Amino acid sequence: EAQVTQNPRYLITVTGKKLTVTCSQNMNHEYMSWYRQDPGLGLRQIYYSMNVEVTDKGDVPEGYKVSRKEKRNFPLILESPSPNQTSLYFCASSLDWGNQPQHFGDGTRLSIL
Amino acid sequence: AQSVTQLDSQVPVFEEAPVELRCNYSSSVSVYLFWYVQYPNQGLQLLLKYLSGSTLVKGINGFEAEFNKSQTSFHLRKPSVHISDTAEYFCAVSEGTGGFKTIFGAGTRLFVKA
Repeated sequence: EAQVTQNPRYLITVTGKKLTVTCSQNMNHEYMSWYRQDPGLGLRQIYYSMNVEVTDKGDVPEGYKVSRKEKRNFPLILESPSPNQTSLYFCASSLDWGNQPQHFGDGTRLSIL
Repeated sequence: AQSVTQLDSQVPVFEEAPVELRCNYSSSVSVYLFWYVQYPNQGLQLLLKYLSGSTLVKGINGFEAEFNKSQTSFHLRKPSVHISDTAEYFCAVSEGTGGFKTIFGAGTRLFVKA
């Protein structure tokens, strides 16, 4: 089954404790992206990757890091999480950028205390 | 796109009534347009997309949208809604200037009442 898998689905942690949210897709997609969803703001793009070792900032990259060492994986790293990063996070992938629809994971709800 | 505006944050409607969810965007270049639906506790799923050609596009679950270039709009419509259409709907735009980004609107919550 074609899918985007995120882990964990839920996480409660404390300020400053490094965490990683993993994302994996099994569709051989080139383009992957991370979004955060906040009430009234919709989805805002954090980082995206056009291919292996090619990443770039979205609209809200501060406080986040990503890497794309393999085509299928695109982890999101919070080196020193803060309460304003409490949010619902989605990973997405698409065959290519632009004219291809994105396939989304089921989301990761992060609470930073 | 510099911005995507979904003009209604919530739309209540009775079952079997028609519905229109409005989306406007600002961009000076060609764009690709999408509507996604999000059911509770799930990720987003594609409803339909406009890339080029016919301005009226049909999607899944009986939804359709019309691209209006002069008004920079991409409104979503369904002639008769069902209870199961209750969800949040997002308009999204991809363009090639300033990076390969996708901009989403804030979402419209459609609530279908019996």
